[in-house]
Amino acid sequence: QKEVEQNSGPLSVPEGAIASLNCTYSDRGSQSFFWYRQYSGKSPELIMFIYSNGDKEDGRFTAQLNKASQYVSLLIRDSQPSDSATYLCAVSDYKLSFGAGTTVTVRA
Amino acid sequence: DTAVSQTPKYLVTQMGNDKSIKCEQNLGHDTMYWYKQDSKKFLKIMFSYNNKELIINETVPNRFSPKSPDKAHLNLHINSLELGDSAVYFCASSQATGGAMDTQYFGPGTRLTVL
Repeated sequence: QKEVEQNSGPLSVPEGAIASLNCTYSDRGSQSFFWYRQYSGKSPELIMFIYSNGDKEDGRFTAQLNKASQYVSLLIRDSQPSDSATYLCAVSDYKLSFGAGTTVTVRA
Repeated sequence: DTAVSQTPKYLVTQMGNDKSIKCEQNLGHDTMYWYKQDSKKFLKIMFSYNNKELIINETVPNRFSPKSPDKAHLNLHINSLELGDSAVYFCASSQATGGAMDTQYFGPGTRLTVL
């Protein structure tokens, strides 16, 4: 079983819609959870991190964490073409383990 | 100012050669990392150093040898390059390890192509 699994993409959403990205992890001892965005040919950049159960909002992005279900998600509201990228879920115990990523395409 | 920089950006070489990639961070972070991202975009940690001390060494062939002369620099030397080493190698740094301090900042990547 992979340590971090993300819903397979690609995910195509119309401009202005909500993009929903899901991630599950296997290690119950994981403490911190991160979402990174990676544009094609570029390096990953942090969108947000979360370490408490519940929701965390930052602008158009909302991360949701449910440690009991070992589940973390990212919602992108009012999706823009500039949100088209691969989104990487990362989970931290003693190291950062990344999922394979979900590619999002926002259609204008 | 570039926070995490890597050189070179592109590296094309023949099988069997030895090559090095250099990384520098000016964020004042204590921890630095090397990651490999393969053609399927899967990002996997290779090594981590905390204040010049090796703290993570994943199952990486011993042809790969990291070196950290000081906490701002982490280099990666690869001996006897193989076709399967072709990938993008990212350097990253974080303030420390654990919790929010795990937030990692990535360099621009080095695209290694082995012919």
